[in-house]
Amino acid sequence: KNQVEQSPQSLIILEGKNCTLQCNYTVSPFSNLRWYKQDTGRGPVSLTIMTFSENTKSNGRYTATLDADTKQSSLHITASQLSDSASYICVVSAPLRNKLTFGTGTQLKVEL
Amino acid sequence: DGGITQSPKYLFRKEGQNVTLSCEQNLNHDAMYWYRQDPGQGLRLIYYSQIVNDFQKGDIAEGYSVSREKKESFPLTVTSAQKNPTAFYLCASSIVRIEDANYGYTFGSGTRLTVV
Repeated sequence: KNQVEQSPQSLIILEGKNCTLQCNYTVSPFSNLRWYKQDTGRGPVSLTIMTFSENTKSNGRYTATLDADTKQSSLHITASQLSDSASYICVVSAPLRNKLTFGTGTQLKVEL
Repeated sequence: DGGITQSPKYLFRKEGQNVTLSCEQNLNHDAMYWYRQDPGQGLRLIYYSQIVNDFQKGDIAEGYSVSREKKESFPLTVTSAQKNPTAFYLCASSIVRIEDANYGYTFGSGTRLTVV
């Protein structure tokens, strides 16, 4: 069964600190991996999309890495801000049919 | 501004009633999707449509129905047959080009449905 597992389930950090969120997947075959940010009560917003051949992609203070051999991805947030408080969702796409498998998300809270 | 609009933001339904959630996009995207989000679970696909007048069941279609009469609109009806409809519903759209692996999804802001 294709699965996407994220860790930790929740995380609290102080403003200005860095953090790394993890995503392990078993989806095969694999097309691309996406990271989304979802604020409470809102729809997810895309942060990065990486294909099989890409190892890293950045979007401002967000940097995603991908190891397709070990089926692992991480999202690194640098110099966190209060506005980074949200759920971060890892999504893996299989080829054709636009089939997406969603992780359950990591709930991040940034405190003063 | 281009985007997806979902309405209403909050919806209350009495048991036994059908309700319809609206989703409209002006992105000229071919494909549209409905997802359900429950606490502690990943998004689950209800229905999707890749072209007008055609749609396919997703993983949890029972108790739901959709239509795609216009490219811009993809309403979802939650019927009385859906036994546990309380959830957060998200509509999304995307360009459909199978050879383009970098296509993005655009999500709406969601509708929270509560059975009272």
